[in-house]
Amino acid sequence: ETGVTQSPTHLIKTRGQQVTLRCSSQSGHNTVSWYQQALGQGPQFIFQYYREEENGRGNFPPRFSGLQFPNYSSELNVNALELDDSALYLCASSWRGGGRGRTDTQYFGPGTRLTVL
Amino acid sequence: DQQVKQNSPSLSVQEGRISILNCDYTNSMFDYFLWYKKYPAEGPTFLISISSIKDKNEDGRFTVFLNKSAKHLSLHIVPSQPGDSAVYFCAASVRGAGGTSYGKLTFGQGTILTVHP
Repeated sequence: ETGVTQSPTHLIKTRGQQVTLRCSSQSGHNTVSWYQQALGQGPQFIFQYYREEENGRGNFPPRFSGLQFPNYSSELNVNALELDDSALYLCASSWRGGGRGRTDTQYFGPGTRLTVL
Repeated sequence: DQQVKQNSPSLSVQEGRISILNCDYTNSMFDYFLWYKKYPAEGPTFLISISSIKDKNEDGRFTVFLNKSAKHLSLHIVPSQPGDSAVYFCAASVRGAGGTSYGKLTFGQGTILTVHP
């Protein structure tokens, strides 16, 4: 069984640039959630993707956007980077049944450390 | 608005003793609770979960207790081992609802556990 993988591991960008982070879900999982973890804080929910559509968003501006692909992998895109976007970005995958089925436990990848200068 | 709080930033215990990590929540809609362990430079690792229909769940050395009336949960680790030294996060979700709350994990700030040999 393959776990959740993320790329790249580390990234350095300058203010105003755009960044794309990638996530491959654990085998058998169909739902991907993204979280931002600032230093000394718990992860904050950005959004979740299910069936290639955004399914719930946290308190993040529209310059944070995402995609989910037919193989359930996902991308997180951040435009117009700000200094406060510097954080660890975590991807988590889970299984969600059809209709209003419950979302199972989320399993996290190792994260991408983004530094904005 | 911090809906999930871990009021102890750190905890230090001796190897072989019990570690008790605490977590309080304010949102009465939360119906599923999880504990994650995180080592530096790694993503959170799922430890144990509990549904709101239970008040206790046990898995090896780890036991989670839920007190719904007090909106409080705790994680007990017995016996504690040096390898348990890590940051522990509690998280909560509303599994029973649909809509945009679905699948969103709300995390506490974390407690740093240090187990001394």
